Amino acid sequence: DQQVKQNSPSLSVQEGRISILNCDYTNSMFDYFLWYKKYPAEGPTFLISISSIKDKNEDGRFTVFLNKSAKHLSLHIVPSQPGDSAVYFCAALPGGKLIFGQGTELSVKP
Amino acid sequence: GAGVSQSPSNKVTEKGKDVELRCDPISGHTALYWYRQSLGQGLEFLIYFQGNSAPDKSGLPSDRFSAERTGGSVSTLTIQRTQQEDSAVYLCASSPEGGWGRPQHFGDGTRLSIL
Repeated sequence: DQQVKQNSPSLSVQEGRISILNCDYTNSMFDYFLWYKKYPAEGPTFLISISSIKDKNEDGRFTVFLNKSAKHLSLHIVPSQPGDSAVYFCAALPGGKLIFGQGTELSVKP
Repeated sequence: GAGVSQSPSNKVTEKGKDVELRCDPISGHTALYWYRQSLGQGLEFLIYFQGNSAPDKSGLPSDRFSAERTGGSVSTLTIQRTQQEDSAVYLCASSPEGGWGRPQHFGDGTRLSIL
């Protein structure tokens, strides 16, 4: 029973364009969400987070949007850069432990 | 500053053997977590330590898995009588305290291969 879902296993984007990574969750009690970025052979690195009292949080090129009624969040990266190529995980944080989606592998092509 | 440190980085062992994986969290972080990522899968929560509270063991897949955290710092994840399905990358994370608003900082993991 996957409580956090990333339905796109991969995404390919041209350098300079926008990358949009999507995430859906099933439990309306989840109230805090995070995005992590992971390079091969490294641990995930925290990228950006959002609480349910907001619908948008922005940090430089990264913006996370939360639609609570749809139980959907998305990460926008603009402009995308080749160094952004990695696996991106969304996660919910109920009770301290992270529940991760399956990840989306982003490839940004020069 | 030192991040979360895990050892060994790679471990290959025969089915049926016991293994111990070590995690040194960031100094001062009271919360410590273990996750694993099996091939082609997302990250799966295993266990969570917060200060002196009883750990949340709800993610441990079987009684062959156990973890300790000594002195509120270093943690050891032990897998007894390893099986091939235990092959995965085991990730440790820590945070200043558990719960809302506290991003977890991850180590680079231990890649465990069971032959």
